[in-house]
Amino acid sequence: DVKVTQSSRYLVKRTGEKVFLECVQDMDHENMFWYRQDPGLGLRLIYFSYDVKMKEKGDIPEGYSVSREKKERFSLILESASTSQTSMYLCASSFSRGLGSPLHFGNGTRLTVT
Amino acid sequence: GQNIDQPTEMTATEGAIVQINCTYQTSGFNGLFWYQQHAGEAPTFLSYNVLDGLEEKGRFSSFLSRSKGYSYLLLKELQMKDSASYLCAVRNTGGFKTIFGAGTRLFVKA
Repeated sequence: DVKVTQSSRYLVKRTGEKVFLECVQDMDHENMFWYRQDPGLGLRLIYFSYDVKMKEKGDIPEGYSVSREKKERFSLILESASTSQTSMYLCASSFSRGLGSPLHFGNGTRLTVT
Repeated sequence: GQNIDQPTEMTATEGAIVQINCTYQTSGFNGLFWYQQHAGEAPTFLSYNVLDGLEEKGRFSSFLSRSKGYSYLLLKELQMKDSASYLCAVRNTGGFKTIFGAGTRLFVKA
């Protein structure tokens, strides 16, 4: 079974702090993704990566950056946290971008920025 | 623009059948996924359709009509544990981006 592990389940940070969210997958998946999930808006793609050191912007990349130094690890960085970034953050991975390859999600990090 | 619409909430009775609809308008199409998400948990994969028609998997079936931009998830013999959110998602042509609807919260009552 694929396991996607996010380092923190809950985080509380102050406005202006730099925040790191870590994600590790154990199935040698090529692709990794960061989404945020907000009530009524569903999951929105922040960034994704299809290979080590490669990254692409998703639909809402502003205020975020990412790092993928190793295949199994994908980090999301909030350069200067703001209250609008209070959300549930979900990391996901997929084996390929081929037909039918589903996303496997971590359990999420609920971030509160005060 | 890109848009995926599904009802916000539905309620059904244990043992019954429920159909959750999804309509989509996206810039490309490389398959439609349904995920289940229990409260406080990660979404988990339920089904995938890329060709028109019905895919059946036990109590769950999913239907796709690409010409109509329409899909539905059919849940039979509902159980209390089926109370969850059901997310409709479309993968774009390039294969990297998956766009999600806001999800349908299903309540199963006794």
